[in-house]
Amino acid sequence: KQEVTQIPAALSVPEGENLVLNCSFTDSAIYNLQWFRQDPGKGLTSLLLIQSSQREQTSGRLNASLDKSSGRSTLYIAASQPGDSATYLCAVTGKLTFGTGTRLTIIP
Amino acid sequence: DAMVIQNPRYQVTQFGKPVTLSCSQTLNHNVMYWYQQKSSQAPKLLFHYYDKDFNNEADTPDNFQSRRPNTSFCFLDIRSPGLGDAAMYLCGTYGSDTQYFGPGTRLTVL
Repeated sequence: KQEVTQIPAALSVPEGENLVLNCSFTDSAIYNLQWFRQDPGKGLTSLLLIQSSQREQTSGRLNASLDKSSGRSTLYIAASQPGDSATYLCAVTGKLTFGTGTRLTIIP
Repeated sequence: DAMVIQNPRYQVTQFGKPVTLSCSQTLNHNVMYWYQQKSSQAPKLLFHYYDKDFNNEADTPDNFQSRRPNTSFCFLDIRSPGLGDAAMYLCGTYGSDTQYFGPGTRLTVL
């Protein structure tokens, strides 16, 4: 059974800092990995998707990497802004399995 | 342009009173999902459909049922809601190698 872990559960950083969020998974036989953002009380917004054959994807200030062999993915956020404050979840497919998320707070 | 729409956004029901949550999509995706997300927890898959073929997860309680009358619509029925069913319910679709989610319905059980 696939298990997805995100550490830390919560992170606070000053505005302008670069930061990395971590995601690990136990079964490397994944189809793709997706990072989502969730604002309090809201649904999920897709940020980046990495196919299993890819190693990274970039969108604006966001860069996601994937290392299937080690069962890890990272989400790098450059020049953080208060509007980046949210919970970030990673999820892997085959069957879409989510991590519990990292709650990010950017301090102005 | 909303692609996955969930109604209502907030639903309050009484203990034991049946409730139905609805989801519609404009993406024409064959795959649809229902997830339950409790506070500070990961979303938990309840049901998924490929077209009208339906699968429920082994640990989805019998209290939960789902219907998909056509490609665009999907419903989640909770026959006798308990206090433990209070959660955010997320509807999603899958297509072009990407998952799309609606804004969720927050269910409160009194």
